[in-house]
Amino acid sequence: QQQVKQSPQSLIVQKGGISIINCAYENTAFDYFPWYQQFPGKGPALLIAIRPDVSEKKEGRFTISFNKSAKQFSLHIMDSQPGDSATYFCAASGVGAGNNRKLIWGLGTSLAVNP
Amino acid sequence: NAGVTQTPKFQVLKTGQSMTLQCAQDMNHNSMYWYRQDPGMGLRLIYYSASEGTTDKGEVPNGYNVSRLNKREFSLRLESAAPSQTSVYFCASSEARQGVRRNTEAFFGQGTRLTVV
Repeated sequence: QQQVKQSPQSLIVQKGGISIINCAYENTAFDYFPWYQQFPGKGPALLIAIRPDVSEKKEGRFTISFNKSAKQFSLHIMDSQPGDSATYFCAASGVGAGNNRKLIWGLGTSLAVNP
Repeated sequence: NAGVTQTPKFQVLKTGQSMTLQCAQDMNHNSMYWYRQDPGMGLRLIYYSASEGTTDKGEVPNGYNVSRLNKREFSLRLESAAPSQTSVYFCASSEARQGVRRNTEAFFGQGTRLTVV
């Protein structure tokens, strides 16, 4: 079962536009929600993360919006640039069985920013 | 600072052959992970190790074994490779400890591209 559902699967945006990627989760025990960015041929790298005690976090052109009651969070990329073209993954984690922490991943969104 | 280093970067195996993927991290992290990435499937956890001396199954452990050799190294072994194991394999590490509420960033290696023919 997919505990973190990510949409859309792919996204094309014009340079300067806003890219929006959405994720929904099911487990109310999740308490950490990161977004990872992956360029072709590379491993994923942390982009920005949020905890459920805040509704928004902004770092430069990247913003996470978090809606705890709806169990949804989204990534907004303002003034999108061709260099932002990558695959973006949302994820969630919480303390699980055996007190272990594991990241539960969305399936990814392939973003293409046209010049 | 090398971070997470995976070897080899590319490998072609024949069905039935065995091989070990190596992973080492130099960040003194407690937790290490092996993922596979397939088109449209995202990242799927194969095995993880929450601390030195412990390993646990992830979502897709069948056909794989792991060894947490020490705090730095976590290897993934394919005993009898199958075409279904053609994938990109990523090793990752994080500081996350058992039972600790605070989670921290997971650092990924560059991946191993494995083809089984």
